[in-house]
Amino acid sequence: GEDVEQSLFLSVREGDSSVINCTYTDSSSTYLYWYKQEPGAGLQLLTYIFSNMDMKQDQRLTVLLNKKDKHLSLRIADTQTGDSAIYFCAEPPQGGATNKLIFGSGTLLAVQP
Amino acid sequence: DAMVIQNPRYQVTQFGKPVTLSCSQTLNHNVMYWYQQKSSQAPKLLFHYYDKDFNNEADTPDNFQSRRPNTSFCFLDIRSPGLGDAAMYLCATSRQGQVLNEQFFGPGTRLTVL
Repeated sequence: GEDVEQSLFLSVREGDSSVINCTYTDSSSTYLYWYKQEPGAGLQLLTYIFSNMDMKQDQRLTVLLNKKDKHLSLRIADTQTGDSAIYFCAEPPQGGATNKLIFGSGTLLAVQP
Repeated sequence: DAMVIQNPRYQVTQFGKPVTLSCSQTLNHNVMYWYQQKSSQAPKLLFHYYDKDFNNEADTPDNFQSRRPNTSFCFLDIRSPGLGDAAMYLCATSRQGQVLNEQFFGPGTRLTVL
């Protein structure tokens, strides 16, 4: 079955880098996504990567994609207390139903001042 | 601002008492989704609408129903809530036909079952 897996918790100090990891199952996914959920709010698309790319950089965010190992990571440079949130990795389900997304269980990032 | 709105934010119901959760959107998106999210778990898709076309997930219990009377509104009906239905319920929207499937989420309704 389809499964997107993430570690549940990460704690870093303010100013350090954070790396959140994810493994996914469908190697034919066109896009892979990172969503962010702040306390009391819904999920919001943070960044994404197209499957023909190995890396995407967007200001403090770097997404790395290892298609061979089906491994996706999100690196946040100079982590701030405002980055404290739950981060979800997501991919479309097998079979190309592009309406839908399969989410991981989320990684809670706690940033210590 | 265009957005996805969910009412109420917190809902308390009794075991077996029907409850309806509401979602509205001002994005004019034709796809609307309902997810169930339990603590430390992935959001689980219950069903989604493409316009008025209803798409149920195979493992969504019959206890969960949905209505979409128009583009802007979508409702989640739980006919006989059990203790295991206590969760956060998330509504989301997207625009069909985009290769990049960005979904826009409401803040969720937290359901408590007593």
